[in-house]
Amino acid sequence: AQSVTQPDIHITVSEGASLELRCNYSYGATPYLFWYVQSPGQGLQLLLKYFSGDTLVQGIKGFEAEFKRSQSSFNLRKPSVHWSDAAEYFCAVGGSGGSNYKLTFGKGTLLTVNP
Amino acid sequence: GAGVSQSPSNKVTEKGKDVELRCDPISGHTALYWYRQSLGQGLEFLIYFQGNSAPDKSGLPSDRFSAERTGGSVSTLTIQRTQQEDSAVYLCASSLGEGDTQYFGPGTRLTVL
Repeated sequence: AQSVTQPDIHITVSEGASLELRCNYSYGATPYLFWYVQSPGQGLQLLLKYFSGDTLVQGIKGFEAEFKRSQSSFNLRKPSVHWSDAAEYFCAVGGSGGSNYKLTFGKGTLLTVNP
Repeated sequence: GAGVSQSPSNKVTEKGKDVELRCDPISGHTALYWYRQSLGQGLEFLIYFQGNSAPDKSGLPSDRFSAERTGGSVSTLTIQRTQQEDSAVYLCASSLGEGDTQYFGPGTRLTVL
């Protein structure tokens, strides 16, 4: 069964600092990988996705993520965090085989940004 | 264009009552999904509809939960005889087709007293 681990429940960074949110997945075949962001009281917004090809993917709001198959990781990065980035971030994996529509989400990482 | 919409945004009900939650997917999207987000369990897949195919109900937690999708568009998630453990945010998503990027609605927050 597929699974996603986000080791950090809560991260606090200062505005302007760099950010890396960790995500490790378990999946038997080639995964589809996603990062979503959820602001308080809002639904999930897609930041970026990896299906195949270049392992470094660019997303919205200046975010990027790198797929590392050898480490089963898909970490999210941003070089300079803005106060508006404070939110909860979810990594998700979907299958490239059957039932590829079933997304499995990590527990989320809550990001706090200090001024 | 318009995104996925859900109604109501909030629902408070008494234990034992039935509730219906509605989802309007993005126009033209053939696939529709329901997820549940709760403090203890995180985000869980509930059910998936794709076109006229039989839905994948494998994520529904009990037979008190059911969903239908009429005319390949609007979907309703029904919870019968609600229990306190049903309290959660219910999220709907749609995608152009199977395996495509899922776009989420704002959710319905259900509170069972």
